[in-house]
Amino acid sequence: NAGVTQTPKFQVLKTGQSMTLQCAQDMNHNSMYWYRQDPGMGLRLIYYSASEGTTDKGEVPNGYNVSRLNKREFSLRLESAAPSQTSVYFCASSWTEHNQPQHFGDGTRLSIL
Amino acid sequence: TQLLEQSPQFLSIQEGENLTVYCNSSSVFSSLQWYRQEPGEGPVLLVTVVTGGEVKKLKRLTFQFGDARKDSSLHITAAQPGDTGLYLCAGDGQNFVFGPGTRLSVLP
Repeated sequence: NAGVTQTPKFQVLKTGQSMTLQCAQDMNHNSMYWYRQDPGMGLRLIYYSASEGTTDKGEVPNGYNVSRLNKREFSLRLESAAPSQTSVYFCASSWTEHNQPQHFGDGTRLSIL
Repeated sequence: TQLLEQSPQFLSIQEGENLTVYCNSSSVFSSLQWYRQEPGEGPVLLVTVVTGGEVKKLKRLTFQFGDARKDSSLHITAAQPGDTGLYLCAGDGQNFVFGPGTRLSVLP
């Protein structure tokens, strides 16, 4: 039972490049989330999807887009990467539609040069 | 904006000692969660507390939700090196917000 799987685990980009972070969960959860974690700032919500077909902005959505491809998969796209987006990105999922992440992936460590 | 503060920010203790870490806010939360995160991994949910004054125990860990549902504490009895990690609290209020964490190091 894999839980929440994120790819890639590490990535280095140049400013202005684009990329998509992938996330998949095998627990049949309704809700999925994307967070970023920066030192001393805790986890901040970028976007979430309460159910298949819906997405909503979180606390820090600027510079990101998301796609809830199906119930299992929720991707995060950086269209034009900036150094301020250097961070560790976590995908999470939960049964409830009320923003309480229960299971997290192991993260993607992203550096923007 | 609802904020959660955690104290201390860092804590280093010897194996066998007891410790308490705190999670505080000026806002009321309908529930509060505690997570533990180890290096290179995602947070793992430890407990959810819902009722003011509620106490939950998970082996050597005791979690308490404040009577006014604005704060919480995590007490660890006889800490072990395996308890080392970043302890995060998160509150469900107007939004679901995380605190910055307490980084615990238990030395053998």
